[in-house]
Amino acid sequence: GEDVEQSLFLSVREGDSSVINCTYTDSSSTYLYWYKQEPGAGLQLLTYIFSNMDMKQDQRLTVLLNKKDKHLSLRIADTQTGDSAIYFCAESNYGQNFVFGPGTRLSVLP
Amino acid sequence: DTGVSQDPRHKITKRGQNVTFRCDPISEHNRLYWYRQTLGQGPEFLTYFQNEAQLEKSRLLSDRFSAERPKGSFSTLEIQRTEQGDSAMYLCASSPERTHSTDTQYFGPGTRLTVL
Repeated sequence: GEDVEQSLFLSVREGDSSVINCTYTDSSSTYLYWYKQEPGAGLQLLTYIFSNMDMKQDQRLTVLLNKKDKHLSLRIADTQTGDSAIYFCAESNYGQNFVFGPGTRLSVLP
Repeated sequence: DTGVSQDPRHKITKRGQNVTFRCDPISEHNRLYWYRQTLGQGPEFLTYFQNEAQLEKSRLLSDRFSAERPKGSFSTLEIQRTEQGDSAMYLCASSPERTHSTDTQYFGPGTRLTVL
């Protein structure tokens, strides 16, 4: 079946850039997403990218997609302590068959 | 609209009891999803409705689990004869169905189930 993998932990210093990586297996994925989950809270959609795009930028967030390698990354510029959370990569096929990764816990050190 | 709501937020039950959770999606969202999330894991898909029709069920959804969305608005998820392994956060999400859209999902806060 489909699988989404992520590294589990990332630590960065405040002000640095964070890069969270994700790989997926389903070549029929049409949309790829990044969600943020803070402690005790639900998942918040951060950004998404359609599978025919290579890059999408949204303020401090940059998403890069390498469809050939099935690799997705999320770059957070000027990382702040408020960015500390768990980040989930997810894929879907036209809004069906959503598959989430295990999440990457981002810790931002002062 | 205040977003997706779920009730209750927390449920503690004894093994063998039945529990029912409710999800109210964002109004006019015709897709509704249920997920289960255990500690340290991402959400695992359980089932999905388009309007009142249940279109997909995961093999994770044993026969003790049943979900309904009778009028195409709110949904209920029932777990019968609960087991300790059912302890998890149960998440609901909704999305609009629009042509050429992202079909992005909006998540509720979840119901945390603890089975003693």
